[in-house]
Amino acid sequence: QKEVEQNSGPLSVPEGAIASLNCTYSDRVSQSFFWYRQYSGKSPELIMSIYSNGDKEDGRFTAQLNKASQYVSLLIRDSQPSDSATYLCAVNPGRKYGNKLVFGAGTILRVKS
Amino acid sequence: EAGVVQSPRYKIIEKKQPVAFWCNPISGHNTLYWYLQNLGQGPELLIRYENEEAVDDSQLPKDRFSAERLKGVDSTLKIQPAELGDSAVYLCASSLGQGGPNNEQFFGPGTRLTVL
Repeated sequence: QKEVEQNSGPLSVPEGAIASLNCTYSDRVSQSFFWYRQYSGKSPELIMSIYSNGDKEDGRFTAQLNKASQYVSLLIRDSQPSDSATYLCAVNPGRKYGNKLVFGAGTILRVKS
Repeated sequence: EAGVVQSPRYKIIEKKQPVAFWCNPISGHNTLYWYLQNLGQGPELLIRYENEEAVDDSQLPKDRFSAERLKGVDSTLKIQPAELGDSAVYLCASSLGQGGPNNEQFFGPGTRLTVL
């Protein structure tokens, strides 16, 4: 079982719609959660971090965390063609694993104008 | 504030040749990471430094890979000899420290290695 799982996509949404990206993780004691955006040929860029259950909003982005269900999601409101990228979910499984980040394989998002 | 700096950006070598990558982290970031990213996959940790100390190198293939961070600032990752399967993007990242917000990692532009 992969430690961090994401649907590879591609997820296609029309411009202006809400894009919903999902991620599940296997280690129940995971402490912190991150979303990175990666454009083709570029390196990952941190866009959101979340540490507590519930929602965290930053501009058009909302991260949602449900530790009981071991589930974290990223919502992108008013999607723009410039949001087209691969979105990587990363999980810090905690001190037991040296606080390293474990990444999913990413979900490809395509926003069509 | 300058981000993580890496060089070179691209490297093409023949198999069995040595290669080295350099990274300078964000100023003040004590923790430095080297990751490997294959096409269509997320980054995978190779080694993590806390200041000068390599605190997690369990995923580093030590028969051919080595790394150093002598003064606790910049770092070098070396492969000798390179194999065809080493073709990938090598990413360097840094963070303030461990746990919580201090574990937010910021990536450099990466080095794309092609082994022929």
